[in-house]
Amino acid sequence: GQSLEQPSEVTAVEGAIVQINCTYQTSGFYGLSWYQQHDGGAPTFLSYNALDGLEETGRFSSFLSRSDSYGYLLLQELQMKDSASYFCAVRGASGGYQKVTFGTGTKLQVIP
Amino acid sequence: DSGVTQTPKHLITATGQRVTLRCSPRSGDLSVYWYQQSLDQGLQFLIQYYNGEERAKGNILERFSAQQFPDLHSELNLSSLELGDSALYFCASSEDATNEKLFFGSGTQLSVL
Repeated sequence: GQSLEQPSEVTAVEGAIVQINCTYQTSGFYGLSWYQQHDGGAPTFLSYNALDGLEETGRFSSFLSRSDSYGYLLLQELQMKDSASYFCAVRGASGGYQKVTFGTGTKLQVIP
Repeated sequence: DSGVTQTPKHLITATGQRVTLRCSPRSGDLSVYWYQQSLDQGLQFLIQYYNGEERAKGNILERFSAQQFPDLHSELNLSSLELGDSALYFCASSEDATNEKLFFGSGTQLSVL
């Protein structure tokens, strides 16, 4: 099966940098994604890593180490609107097909 | 707006009843996914369809079933409802069966009383 672990809550100050870690277990790894979900809203795609290294998209960056089954999401220059839940999701093999499994999410609170 | 449409937005029903949730994927997307999100929980994968065929199955209960129609819209049927089935049900779509980017609808909030 597939499983992911990420911290349940993180608090950071506006303007600062925060890192949200994610470790995963899966067979047949294809990639790790990150999604943002505001309260009452739908998850929205942030980034995807299939290969080791850092992917940067504006203030958000995502890192992957396949050998360590580990990734993180880095949010820079935090803004109040970044307060949301962040989910990592692994695409892995399941019964001959690929399946996308989500972690339980990290609730980020940005404080002034 | 993700382009994925889910109806209804809210559904209130009683235990033992049966409901149908509907999802229209983004134009051009062939793959549809269903996820269940309970209060303060992650997204539990239920099932995936690709171009009308079941592609992958998650922790979907036997009381639940789904299908994807020729026009690519999908329906999730929940029967013999229990209190614990109360949750937010999301549909997502992607271009194909392996695309890394999922587009989520706004969800159907199901309340079983």
